[in-house]
Amino acid sequence: GAGVSQSPSNKVTEKGKDVELRCDPISGHTALYWYRQSLGQGLEFLIYFQGNSAPDKSGLPSDRFSAERTGGSVSTLTIQRTQQEDSAVYLCASSPEWRGARETQYFGPGTRLLVL
Amino acid sequence: AQSVTQLGSHVSVSEGALVLLRCNYSSSVPPYLFWYVQYPNQGLQLLLKYTTGATLVKGINGFEAEFKKSETSFHLTKPSAHMSDAAEYFCAVSDNSGGYQKVTFGTGTKLQVIP
Repeated sequence: GAGVSQSPSNKVTEKGKDVELRCDPISGHTALYWYRQSLGQGLEFLIYFQGNSAPDKSGLPSDRFSAERTGGSVSTLTIQRTQQEDSAVYLCASSPEWRGARETQYFGPGTRLLVL
Repeated sequence: AQSVTQLGSHVSVSEGALVLLRCNYSSSVPPYLFWYVQYPNQGLQLLLKYTTGATLVKGINGFEAEFKKSETSFHLTKPSAHMSDAAEYFCAVSDNSGGYQKVTFGTGTKLQVIP
């Protein structure tokens, strides 16, 4: 079946502009995660959605970052007033999460964001 | 709180040689442990995971890892490296302490395979 998809695959923007990154999880997966992968760094957790519950936003680095998930499916990560330090690969993952912590996360190919 | 330490950000091996990628974890509860692989310009995909039961876990592409509780380790091995193994490898630990599956990733190890 279809995997996790993300769009756009690459995004170049100017400092100060807003950007929207999209994630389509695997159908039926209730859990959705956003991570940021900066050059030479590991994966930094940003936000978690589970079904219709309130998201865990504890990983968002600043109030310029926000995310929503409509209808328990598609998610959009928005970065306002982008800064050069926002340049990174943004990865989305989904999981069924009916077995809790032992679940495998399924990752999309990522969006490569470059802020000039 | 949980954490993962991967020793060596870059590892080089000759084709046909043993691959050993090290991972140590810290967790206040029994952990679930994962190895993911990331090929260039792709997302992460699962290599293998330890949940319960047998401590030696076999994964895809000939990789395996052994959970050693006494050493808090989950090292990844492959007897004979292939050129196609060149990628970045991430160790991760997972628990439900936050009320959901919270996964902490290591900083990754880039594997170079020399012909």
